Amino acid sequence: GENVEQHPSTLSVQEGDSAVIKCTYSDSASNYFPWYKQELGKRPQLIIDIRSNVGEKKDQRIAVTLNKTAKHFSLHITETQPEDSAVYFCAASIAGGYQKVTFGIGTKLQVIP
Amino acid sequence: GAVVSQHPSRVICKSGTSVKIECRSLDFQATTMFWYRQFPKQSLMLMATSNEGSKATYEQGVEKDKFLINHASLTLSTLTVTSAHPEDSSFYICSARVPRLAGASETQYFGPGTRLLVL
Repeated sequence: GENVEQHPSTLSVQEGDSAVIKCTYSDSASNYFPWYKQELGKRPQLIIDIRSNVGEKKDQRIAVTLNKTAKHFSLHITETQPEDSAVYFCAASIAGGYQKVTFGIGTKLQVIP
Repeated sequence: GAVVSQHPSRVICKSGTSVKIECRSLDFQATTMFWYRQFPKQSLMLMATSNEGSKATYEQGVEKDKFLINHASLTLSTLTVTSAHPEDSSFYICSARVPRLAGASETQYFGPGTRLLVL
């Protein structure tokens, strides 16, 4: 089955700096990669996703890049703000059918004011 | 985005009792729902995939007789923790897959979660 590795497990940045979270996946058939943000005690919220036919996607301060050859994808947050502090999960899945999503272990991001 | 509700949000029960958690998709029909378990400071662990009108598919190591899943309609899936014990205390989250165009991957939207404490 699919295995998703995520690092770092914790990340502290100064407000205004950039944060990068990296993930690798094992199944070359995976072609959908969502990122979720989870605040303490709350549900994971989809913040951005990317499909394998695209190498990069950007939404305001958030961007995701995908390298299919190397089987890794990354989340980039620029101009970080204290409200970006949360746990971020990467995930990978295969299109179609009822394919399950495999999550990374999560990265706890702390933005220091 | 799509809305998924979950009830109850928090439950405390005595050891040996059964607890039912409901997951509803409010503004779309979900042929597939997922049940996760999350321990403090850990990732989401998939327990089972719930398909409307058929038996759930359980992940390895998850006891199907202990965690009963029913997906009787396109908007409702239930998870029943039978004969709950303190080690079952956890945060249970459901998600529903929003159907997209054929051939495209589908996004999951999560419920708010249920915090279960078994005394």
